[in-house]
Amino acid sequence: NAGVTQTPKFQVLKTGQSMTLQCAQDMNHNSMYWYRQDPGMGLRLIYYSASEGTTDKGEVPNGYNVSRLNKREFSLRLESAAPSQTSVYFCASSAHRGTGELFFGEGSRLTVL
Amino acid sequence: QKEVEQDPGPLSVPEGAIVSLNCTYSNSAFQYFMWYRQYSRKGPELLMYTYSSGNKEDGRFTAQVDKSSKYISLFIRDSQPSDSATYLCAMTFENNNDMRFGAGTRLTVKP
Repeated sequence: NAGVTQTPKFQVLKTGQSMTLQCAQDMNHNSMYWYRQDPGMGLRLIYYSASEGTTDKGEVPNGYNVSRLNKREFSLRLESAAPSQTSVYFCASSAHRGTGELFFGEGSRLTVL
Repeated sequence: QKEVEQDPGPLSVPEGAIVSLNCTYSNSAFQYFMWYRQYSRKGPELLMYTYSSGNKEDGRFTAQVDKSSKYISLFIRDSQPSDSATYLCAMTFENNNDMRFGAGTRLTVKP
């Protein structure tokens, strides 16, 4: 039972490079989310997808794009990475919107030099 | 002012102690209140979940929500070394995907 799977787990980029973080869930959940976690800041929502075919901005969307490829997969793209995007990124999913029960992946640690 | 405030600690207690973790919030529209536990280098996992005000108990864990004071608490009885983790409070609105998290409190339970 894999749950939420994120790849890659670690990545080092140079300023200006692009990359895509991949996320897949096998729980048949409707909603998927991307968060970033920084020391002292807690988890902050970047983008979410309430259902297949829809995406919406969260609290900190600047510098990111997302794609809900199908019900299982939700990717996060950094088009031109900046040092301020150094963080741990978590993908999450939930069966229903607004109920609060999120299932998280193990995180992707990104360093931008 | 942050929408959700949580003392980051760190908090260190001896095994068997009662632990109290707290968060305050500013938006009275929050309806769902959660506590997540996060072990080092892992993703958060849901520990307790409460809708609106009141108490909820699950084994050694008790969650309390006081909406009049905009204050939520998590109590851990008979704390164990395996409880050593970061505890995140979280809250959200009715039918809304934008959950707001506290910064997390790092707890260490010493044998």
